[in-house]
Amino acid sequence: DGGITQSPKYLFRKEGQNVTLSCEQNLNHDAMYWYRQDPGQGLRLIYYSQIVNDFQKGDIAEGYSVSREKKESFPLTVTSAQKNPTAFYLCASSSPGETQYFGPGTRLLVL
Amino acid sequence: DAKTTQPPSMDCAEGRAANLPCNHSTISGNEYVYWYRQIHSQGPQYIIHGLKNNETNEMASLIITEDRKSSTLILPHATLRDTAVYYCIVRVWGAAGNKLTFGGGTRVLVKP
Repeated sequence: DGGITQSPKYLFRKEGQNVTLSCEQNLNHDAMYWYRQDPGQGLRLIYYSQIVNDFQKGDIAEGYSVSREKKESFPLTVTSAQKNPTAFYLCASSSPGETQYFGPGTRLLVL
Repeated sequence: DAKTTQPPSMDCAEGRAANLPCNHSTISGNEYVYWYRQIHSQGPQYIIHGLKNNETNEMASLIITEDRKSSTLILPHATLRDTAVYYCIVRVWGAAGNKLTFGGGTRVLVKP
């Protein structure tokens, strides 16, 4: 069953802690993306990767980091430098420049 | 990417067609019109896209005006599960790394 999976569904972060959100796809897509959504708002691009071992900053990359060691995986780390991390995080993938398909999302909350 | 304008909300009766308008008067010749929807607390779901011809798939139909300045998404027989926020987006096909710019969307409530 092809698709995009994100884990965990809910994640709690303590002050000063780094947390990592998982995103895996088995659609054989080269491109992967991370977006952030705040309540009642649209999506904003954090990072994207067009190919393994390469990634670019989006509009709101500060306080976040990513890696792309495998085609199937694009984990996002929310670092302690991100002062307002509470949001809904969405991962997407696509063939380069083509239709993006989204995962179910991870909701991050700060304790 | 061109900006889009959508009504903030609309209601629709179950079983009836839902017609969702979108204005994109500054669209460029190489920009496609995309529609996504987002059901509460889920990831956006791709619905349909088109350049200038009308398009239909198992979920919906997309009608684009001849001047391409506006479009309408049609859900032919709305069900309660179609209650969601619907986003109209324009973007260039094939542009590497091109983000999706989601505006406010239209909040559609399907009523029994």
